[in-house]
Amino acid sequence: DAGVIQSPRHEVTEMGQEVTLRCKPISGHNSLFWYRQTMMRGLELLIYFNNNVPIDDSGMPEDRFSAKMPNASFSTLKIQPSEPRDSAVYFCASSLTPGQGNEKLFFGSGTQLSVL
Amino acid sequence: AQTVTQSQPEMSVQEAETVTLSCTYDTSENNYYLFWYKQPPSRQMILVIRQEAYKQQNATENRFSVNFQKAAKSFSLKISDSQLGDTAMYFCAFMKPYNNNDMRFGAGTRLTVKP
Repeated sequence: DAGVIQSPRHEVTEMGQEVTLRCKPISGHNSLFWYRQTMMRGLELLIYFNNNVPIDDSGMPEDRFSAKMPNASFSTLKIQPSEPRDSAVYFCASSLTPGQGNEKLFFGSGTQLSVL
Repeated sequence: AQTVTQSQPEMSVQEAETVTLSCTYDTSENNYYLFWYKQPPSRQMILVIRQEAYKQQNATENRFSVNFQKAAKSFSLKISDSQLGDTAMYFCAFMKPYNNNDMRFGAGTRLTVKP
């Protein structure tokens, strides 16, 4: 199994530009999560999809952030326009439907975003 | 609300020795899951070990084992025969059943294994 695949690994952009982060979950997993990691706030859940449907987006910081999951094997997190305070590591994670011992998350390698 | 506390921001250990990382949590739940994740310099979050609260037996994975004390709400990670590749941030995490979208993480412990 290839695991959760994220791209790009690094992204450097200028303030005001649009940024799109991509994620391919583990095949067969029907839950997908976007997290943001910063030194100050640690790991924060931004949004959670189940069966491609956004279930909880209460962690999305502002309207500048949006996420989609058009099919079971692909998700995007978009920031438009980007700001320097968006600089962080963004993780995608996936899991099976919770229950029957499926409570565990598998993370991708993250995207290091730097907004100048 | 559930909280996870890691009181050791940084630790170090000599190669081949044993080290224990501490984690405490606060919950009123009786059944839940606890995790240790490793984040090496490569940045990926890697699941090291998982414990189900209703199981009294401590989980083990090769050189990694936990000391789960449910009454004390303590969940420490022991790394035996430390290797240079164990150098990483280690995060303790808590999750209630059926709540994959509510995993609570501690602040992390930075472990350095010295040659």
